[in-house]
Amino acid sequence: NAGVTQTPKFRVLKTGQSMTLLCAQDMNHEYMYWYRQDPGMGLRLIHYSVGEGTTAKGEVPDGYNVSRLKKQNFLLGLESAAPSQTSVYFCASSYSSGRGINEQFFGPGTRLTVL
Amino acid sequence: DAKTTQPPSMDCAEGRAANLPCNHSTISGNEYVYWYRQIHSQGPQYIIHGLKNNETNEMASLIITEDRKSSTLILPHATLRDTAVYYCIVRLHQAGTALIFGKGTTLSVSS
Repeated sequence: NAGVTQTPKFRVLKTGQSMTLLCAQDMNHEYMYWYRQDPGMGLRLIHYSVGEGTTAKGEVPDGYNVSRLKKQNFLLGLESAAPSQTSVYFCASSYSSGRGINEQFFGPGTRLTVL
Repeated sequence: DAKTTQPPSMDCAEGRAANLPCNHSTISGNEYVYWYRQIHSQGPQYIIHGLKNNETNEMASLIITEDRKSSTLILPHATLRDTAVYYCIVRLHQAGTALIFGKGTTLSVSS
């Protein structure tokens, strides 16, 4: 299993450009999340999904959109990038089980710079 | 959501036990204590979780006080590879609940 993978690993954008970050997981997990991490800070939740076709806003959703058309993929879009969106973006997934454990599996991150 | 307080940094000698404290005085009865760590800007990694009993797994031990207002993560024999940022998170024991990260504790293990 590859676990959680993210594409691309690095990206540089100019202000106003758009892009899509792809997260894929091969563990058949129901839940998927997008976080961002700014220097010296903990992760903050952008959007999340509790199942295929459903998404919800997290703590810092402004400027981002998401889609989960397939269970294994969770896309994060920036329609008009701003320098404030320079950050490291992490995707995560988790599963439901009889034990109810809230263990999330994280991808390696995408480092985005907006000039 | 219960908030957590952790020291910003700690040092530990290789081979010694690392004891990382966490204060969560506003924890509610149905919230669990989770610990994650992040090594060198990689994605965070789950370590352990608990409700009120002490827990141990292959990575660490978790000691939760009887009143549940604080806890300690113990790495029994710290190695250089344990150098990381450690996050204490209090959340519902429910899949699909997003994690809320603070700034964590930066643990530096030195030889």
